[in-house]
Amino acid sequence: NAGVMQNPRHLVRRRGQEARLRCSPMKGHSHVYWYRQLPEEGLKFMVYLQKENIIDESGMPKERFSAEFPKEGPSILRIQQVVRGDSAAYFCASSPPMSGHTEAFFGQGTRLTVV
Amino acid sequence: AQKITQTQPGMFVQEKEAVTLDCTYDTSDQSYGLFWYKQPSSGEMIFLIYQGSYDEQNATEGRYSLNFQKARKSANLVISASQLGDSAMYFCAMRERDSGGYQKVTFGTGTKLQVIP
Repeated sequence: NAGVMQNPRHLVRRRGQEARLRCSPMKGHSHVYWYRQLPEEGLKFMVYLQKENIIDESGMPKERFSAEFPKEGPSILRIQQVVRGDSAAYFCASSPPMSGHTEAFFGQGTRLTVV
Repeated sequence: AQKITQTQPGMFVQEKEAVTLDCTYDTSDQSYGLFWYKQPSSGEMIFLIYQGSYDEQNATEGRYSLNFQKARKSANLVISASQLGDSAMYFCAMRERDSGGYQKVTFGTGTKLQVIP
């Protein structure tokens, strides 16, 4: 029973390149959340997705960032034309499809470094 | 207003002593949940303990207990018998329904705990 899997663990991109971060939720989980953690800070909510639906993207920057969770395959967080300020740890969490879930299970994060 | 407030950026505790990490929250939702996560230097987020807003008893998990005071809107984490491996960042978080009816988890800024031998 694998946990939430994120890959890659570490990603280095040059300014202007695209970054793709993947998240495979726990088996049976259909809700995925993405968070960003800047150095020395807490986690900031970015987006909440269910299969094939973006439920809440109020924490996503309006430009360059997008997220999807297709019917098949992992959830993808995509950052276009990366800038130095995008350097952060990006965490994905998943939870089961019922209200009152007691915890969200986190992946180990992807550490993005923009050089 | 901050949804989750952790007022202690850093704490020191002597090994084998107990320590309390503070967390206050703000919500108008009647049904919500409070979590504590540990983030060691390796970076992963480790779930420690959960308290539901309707739970009458304080949650406990091994050496971790959550001191839940609903009227004061506080959810402090108590770690008993601190160990060197407890040195880490600790985040308080709250799950609530937002204005759109969707569940969202909000995190505090964290407390860095250092256990002294």
